[in-house]
Parts: sequence; C-alpha cells; structure tokens
Amino acid sequence: DQQVKQNSPSLSVQEGRISILNCDYTNSMFDYFLWYKKYPAEGPTFLISISSIKDKNEDGRFTVFLNKSAKHLSLHIVPSQPGDSAVYFCAATRDNYGQNFVFGPGTRLSVLP
Amino acid sequence: SQTIHQWPATLVQPVGSPLSLECTVEGTSNPNLYWYRQAAGRGLQLLFYSIGIGQISSEVPQNLSASRPQDRQFILSSKKLLLSDSGFYLCAWDSLSGANVLTFGAGSRLTVL
Repeated sequence: DQQVKQNSPSLSVQEGRISILNCDYTNSMFDYFLWYKKYPAEGPTFLISISSIKDKNEDGRFTVFLNKSAKHLSLHIVPSQPGDSAVYFCAATRDNYGQNFVFGPGTRLSVLP
Repeated sequence: SQTIHQWPATLVQPVGSPLSLECTVEGTSNPNLYWYRQAAGRGLQLLFYSIGIGQISSEVPQNLSASRPQDRQFILSSKKLLLSDSGFYLCAWDSLSGANVLTFGAGSRLTVL
C-alpha cells in the first residue's frame, strides 16, 4: 500500500504559467515533507521542504503548501521555466530518521516554451 | 563541502553475473548511507541503510547485499544477477546532525540481459 501518492504521472504547463504538483499521504505520523527534482540519468536533488508545524514554505519561485487535515501537500512553481522540466518526487518522513523516508512515484513536469 | 560519488554510471551485465556498485562520500564523517532503487514508473525504494561501519539494515528481501567496509564507503553487491535487478540505483547520505535532507549521488543505471 502506497503511503505517499502522486496521482498525476505527468503534467504539461506553458512557460510563465503556474505549475501545481500534488501529493497525498496516508500516514498521520509523518511530520516532515520534502520535494525532490530529478533530471534523466541524474540523482534527485533536494528542492524544498516543510515541517508539519507549518502550512506554507516559500523559496524563490517554489512554494510548498501543507494541509494536514487532508493529508495533502502541493508544490507551486511560479513562473514555470523550461529548465523546470523534470520528474518531481514528493517524500515524507517521521522522527527525523533518513531510513523513514517514503517517496511517491513522481510526476513528470514538462514546461513548454 | 560534501560530495557523493557513485560508479559505474552505467552497467550492462548478463543474468547470473556478479555485481558491485560503489559509493563514497567526501567532506563528512559518520554519515548515514543508503541504497535506493528506482524502477520504471515507480518511486524510490529503499534497499539498505547503514549508520556505521559494518552496520547494515535491509529493508527489502532480495538478491542484493550491501557492505560498508569504511566510514564513507558503501557497496551494493550481488553474487548472481536476475533480470528483475535492472534499474537505476542511487546512493544517498545524511547525518544525524543534518537538516533531515537526503543527498543523492548521480546514480548507476544497471541493465541485466
């Protein structure tokens, strides 16, 4: 049973518009959430994170929103750029232990020029 | 600064042959080390993690094994590869005093024929 779900395998967005990537989780014990970005044939790179004590975290063009009651988080990219085209993984963890990381299946974002 | 290296980057092996993927971390001491696999259309699956030399925890029973002969070296091995071992293997590290962020290597693409 998948504890972290990304129900959209792919998403296409026009350059300059907003990209919204969604993630749902089932385990209420998760207390820290992260987004990773992955280009083909490369390892994932950390993008942004959020603790369960917050509902929003911003870093430049990237904002992550957390809705604990709905067990849902989303990543907003504004404005989207062609270089943002990649696979985005949502991850959740608890108790600050790396071995507790659970990754979603990923969403492939294509930003069209 | 810390860096993580993985090699080889790509590998094509026949069924039944052995495997050795190596990962080293520079610029830190006592890292926690991880091996993940990304199968097509799936998220990142944790295979092994290690909190110290000679200490290996296996998350998924399988045809693979891991070893940590030195503090900053993590090796993924198999005595006889199966077709199902094909995938993209990622090494990662974090530290107990870190920001609860896994840092990944560039990955190793394994194709078993």
